[in-house]
Amino acid sequence: AQSVTQLDSHVSVSEGTPVLLRCNYSSSYSPSLFWYVQHPNKGLQLLLKYTSAATLVKGINGFEAEFKKSETSFHLTKPSAHMSDAAEYFCVVKPPSGGYNKLIFGAGTRLAVHP
Amino acid sequence: EAQVTQNPRYLITVTGKKLTVTCSQNMNHEYMSWYRQDPGLGLRQIYYSMNVEVTDKGDVPEGYKVSRKEKRNFPLILESPSPNQTSLYFCASSLLGGTRDEQYFGPGTRLTVT
Repeated sequence: AQSVTQLDSHVSVSEGTPVLLRCNYSSSYSPSLFWYVQHPNKGLQLLLKYTSAATLVKGINGFEAEFKKSETSFHLTKPSAHMSDAAEYFCVVKPPSGGYNKLIFGAGTRLAVHP
Repeated sequence: EAQVTQNPRYLITVTGKKLTVTCSQNMNHEYMSWYRQDPGLGLRQIYYSMNVEVTDKGDVPEGYKVSRKEKRNFPLILESPSPNQTSLYFCASSLLGGTRDEQYFGPGTRLTVT
């Protein structure tokens, strides 16, 4: 069975410092992996997507994530946090499906950015 | 503008009073899905549809119904809402298969059942 574990429910950083949001997945097959962001009172926006091309994936707003098969990890990073990055972040796995588009969400990590 | 819309955005209702949350997308997507979001649980899938007249249960379907009579619309129906259905609901849509199958989410509907 597929599952996603986000290792931190809350992360707090100072503006201008690096961001690391950790995600581990379990999947019997090579999945697609996503990071979505949810700003307060907003819907979910796709940050980036991994689909077995390059292991380092660049997304919007300066975020990137590295797929490490040996560690079954897909951690999200950003070199320098901005106040506008404060939001909830979801790591998501989509098992290979042959047409069934199910997403499996992690529990989320709330990122706080302090001045 | 490509988007998924949901209505209403906020709803307070009482136990047992039937309600419908509408979802519409303008991207000609085959796949549509409903999720509920609860604190500490992420998003869980309620129902999904792979095309018109094709729907199936997700992980938490109890107490919900859906229909897909048109490609663009996928309403969520609560025939007899209960307080445990108080949650934040999201509709999503996507193409099926290929490399462009990322899901697009609506803005959410916050439902409170008293």
